[in-house]
Amino acid sequence: SAVISQKPSRDICQRGTSLTIQCQVDSQVTMMFWYRQQPGQSLTLIATANQGSEATYESGFVIDKFPISRPNLTFSTLTVSNMSPEDSSIYLCSVVRTSGRTDTQYFGPGTRLTVL
Amino acid sequence: GQQVMQIPQYQHVQEGEDFTTYCNSSTTLSNIQWYKQRPGGHPVFLIQLVKSGEVKKQKRLTFQFGEAKKNSSLHITATQTTDVGTYFCAEYNTDKLIFGTGTRLQVFP
Repeated sequence: SAVISQKPSRDICQRGTSLTIQCQVDSQVTMMFWYRQQPGQSLTLIATANQGSEATYESGFVIDKFPISRPNLTFSTLTVSNMSPEDSSIYLCSVVRTSGRTDTQYFGPGTRLTVL
Repeated sequence: GQQVMQIPQYQHVQEGEDFTTYCNSSTTLSNIQWYKQRPGGHPVFLIQLVKSGEVKKQKRLTFQFGEAKKNSSLHITATQTTDVGTYFCAEYNTDKLIFGTGTRLQVFP
């Protein structure tokens, strides 16, 4: 398994400001993933963060809006920049552990963001 | 892009009734995973299916992968209030997990 922590657990922010979310994993992983889950919706992959290289963003997400850092194999940050109310969501980081033929994705507890 | 749809979107059942959610893809899936997300929680891995026609059971939960590997189902027998939550199917492919739309289950005692 994997133990993942996120900070902050929740925040209320003003429009136009930025928030940086931290994700810490209990052991080294190659890839870390950032997801967004809007109220009542499924999870949407924002980007994959690899240590030592730039993050890979999914369609609809750009680095200027969601800059990601990955300074080492156990830590990553996601910044939500120039926020608007549409950015109100839960943001989750996750990692994959492979056991045999099964790739299990473990999720952090999430950061609940409200933008006023 | 690929979309994985789930039906129904919501299901309300009386405790003790059975429940089934269906996952359908427009393309052939390399595998299918199922996750459960309790209200206010994060998704938790339940199982992975890889083979065509595969069936796996976990106590009251039965998971099935279609013969054409384009659909999957999760069946819960005799639901309990602890089964409340949203059930997601997902495909893990090319090092990323793409989630289905989810089915929210409510169980009334």
